[in-house]
Amino acid sequence: DQQVKQNSPSLSVQEGRISILNCDYTNSMFDYFLWYKKYPAEGPTFLISISSIKDKNEDGRFTVFLNKSAKHLSLHIVPSQPGDSAVYFCAAYGAGSYQLTFGKGTKLSVIP
Amino acid sequence: GAGVSQSPSNKVTEKGKDVELRCDPISGHTALYWYRQSLGQGLEFLIYFQGNSAPDKSGLPSDRFSAERTGGSVSTLTIQRTQQEDSAVYLCASSLQGKTSYEQYFGPGTRLTVT
Repeated sequence: DQQVKQNSPSLSVQEGRISILNCDYTNSMFDYFLWYKKYPAEGPTFLISISSIKDKNEDGRFTVFLNKSAKHLSLHIVPSQPGDSAVYFCAAYGAGSYQLTFGKGTKLSVIP
Repeated sequence: GAGVSQSPSNKVTEKGKDVELRCDPISGHTALYWYRQSLGQGLEFLIYFQGNSAPDKSGLPSDRFSAERTGGSVSTLTIQRTQQEDSAVYLCASSLQGKTSYEQYFGPGTRLTVT
């Protein structure tokens, strides 16, 4: 039973345009969400996070939006750059839990 | 500074053999986590250490899997009598103090192939 779902295995975007990566979750006990970026043969790298008490968090070109009622979050990258090409994982913590629950990832390709 | 390191980077072993995977966390990080990523899957939580104790071992898939941490630093994940379904990338992460620091910093992983 997948508690964190990334329904798009891949996404292609032109350089300079906006990339929108989506994530849905089923567990209402999740209270903190993170996005990680992963290049081949490397470990995941933390990108941005959001607490369940917020609906938006921004860091440079990266913005994460959280819609608690829909149990949906999204990562916006503007403008997209070729170096953003990687696999992006959505992850969540449950209240009182130390476990991160990950989605299966979305492979982003930014085309020059 | 130095990040999380893991060794070996690749391990090929025969079914039935035991393997040991090592993780060196970031210096000063008290929390350490093991995950694995099977082909086409997300990362799956295995075990969490706070210092040398493991308050959460709920993700270990069977009693063939065990882990220890010594000196509040290095951790070893041991898989006994390996099976083909154990083939995966095993990732280690560390953080400052468990849930009080939400970001987990990952190592490059150990790719385990059981033939």
